[in-house]
Amino acid sequence: EVQLVESGGGLVQPGRSLRLSCVVSGFPFEKYAMHWVRQAPGKGLEWVSGLSWNSGSVAYADFVEGRFTISRDNAKNSLYLQMNSLRTEDTGFYYCASDPIASTGPLVPTYFDYWGQGTLVTVSS
Amino acid sequence: EIVLTQSPGTLSLSPGERATLSCRASQSVSSSYLAWYQQKPGQAPRILIYGASSRATGIPDRFSGSGSATDFTLTISRLETEDFAVYYCQQYGYSPGTFGQGTKVEIK
Repeated sequence: EVQLVESGGGLVQPGRSLRLSCVVSGFPFEKYAMHWVRQAPGKGLEWVSGLSWNSGSVAYADFVEGRFTISRDNAKNSLYLQMNSLRTEDTGFYYCASDPIASTGPLVPTYFDYWGQGTLVTVSS
Repeated sequence: EIVLTQSPGTLSLSPGERATLSCRASQSVSSSYLAWYQQKPGQAPRILIYGASSRATGIPDRFSGSGSATDFTLTISRLETEDFAVYYCQQYGYSPGTFGQGTKVEIK
């Protein structure tokens, strides 16, 4: 059974940092590009960042503006999102999601196959 | 970036009825790289359709996708009670991939 389990969310003040984690099981994590997608409460979906299988190719949404860093540890089947200089508009559920196909190529836009249950980040003073 | 506009915002229908959801892109979507997701309250999105018309693994055949270029449609032929949810389209032909704002299918 495929499982993606996020953690690390919580309440944080504007300007502070948070590190999200996603632990994957049930498929060969090391062969798949992975992504973070977020959803503000009651709103739509928004792609945040993606990382290729070997961390050689990375992409961020424009709104990140250098504040977030995506990384992975294939030995631990884990994906991370370090979020600095958080803003109130960063509030929402953060989902990790997988590419649909194993690939050793560079990161490309894709649809998302498996999703975690999400972790809630609340940025408020 | 490509903007996707979904319509209607809310669709009120009864079980057994046909649902037709629209997704319009601000420019042509490359190679029909268009996906549809279903999201129920408190749950993560679930992939239904990719490549505009290919059903994902395990998706019932009452769900179908069609369209090309800038106009895409998700059709649910006969609504089951478990189909009442929010549906999102997503284009992944151009970076960044973008989502529509969603259509809520509610019980009439």
